Amino acid sequence: NAGVTQTPKFQVLKTGQSMTLQCAQDMNHNSMYWYRQDPGMGLRLIYYSASEGTTDKGEVPNGYNVSRLNKREFSLRLESAAPSQTSVYFCASWSGTRAGEQFFGPGTRLTVL
Amino acid sequence: QKEVEQDPGPLSVPEGAIVSLNCTYSNSAFQYFMWYRQYSRKGPELLMYTYSSGNKEDGRFTAQVDKSSKYISLFIRDSQPSDSATYLCATTGYSTLTFGKGTMLLVSP
Repeated sequence: NAGVTQTPKFQVLKTGQSMTLQCAQDMNHNSMYWYRQDPGMGLRLIYYSASEGTTDKGEVPNGYNVSRLNKREFSLRLESAAPSQTSVYFCASWSGTRAGEQFFGPGTRLTVL
Repeated sequence: QKEVEQDPGPLSVPEGAIVSLNCTYSNSAFQYFMWYRQYSRKGPELLMYTYSSGNKEDGRFTAQVDKSSKYISLFIRDSQPSDSATYLCATTGYSTLTFGKGTMLLVSP
């Protein structure tokens, strides 16, 4: 039981390049989330998916797109990366039972030059 | 005003000390209160969970919520070097979390 997995672990991009961050969970959770974490800013919600087939914007959605591919997988796409998107990205999932109990992946460290 | 305020620290204490970590929140609709612990270069993990006001104890950890003053606290007794991490408070109405910025705790042997 791997929990929440994320790929890649590290990535360096040049400004304007695109990439997709992958997230998968094996806990049969309905809801999945993408956060970014920056020094001094804490964890901020980018997008979430309450259930398969639905996605909603969070606090900082600009410059990102998401796809809930199936119940297990939720991807985050940067179409044209900018230095301001340099951050650590975390994916999380929630079963929908106990409010607030989210399970986080190990994170992807992204640097945009 | 950010919805959840938390002093980022760092907070440095000697082993065995009692640690007090605190947050304030602004939205009175929040009903659920959490503390997540995040070790360096790892994802956050849920440490303590409280519904509404009151105390909850789990071993050396006690979470306290005072809804009248919108104040959230985490106490760590007999702190250990292994407690060195960033502690994030969080609240939720139900499906999405609002986090504080996190407090970095350093416990020295």
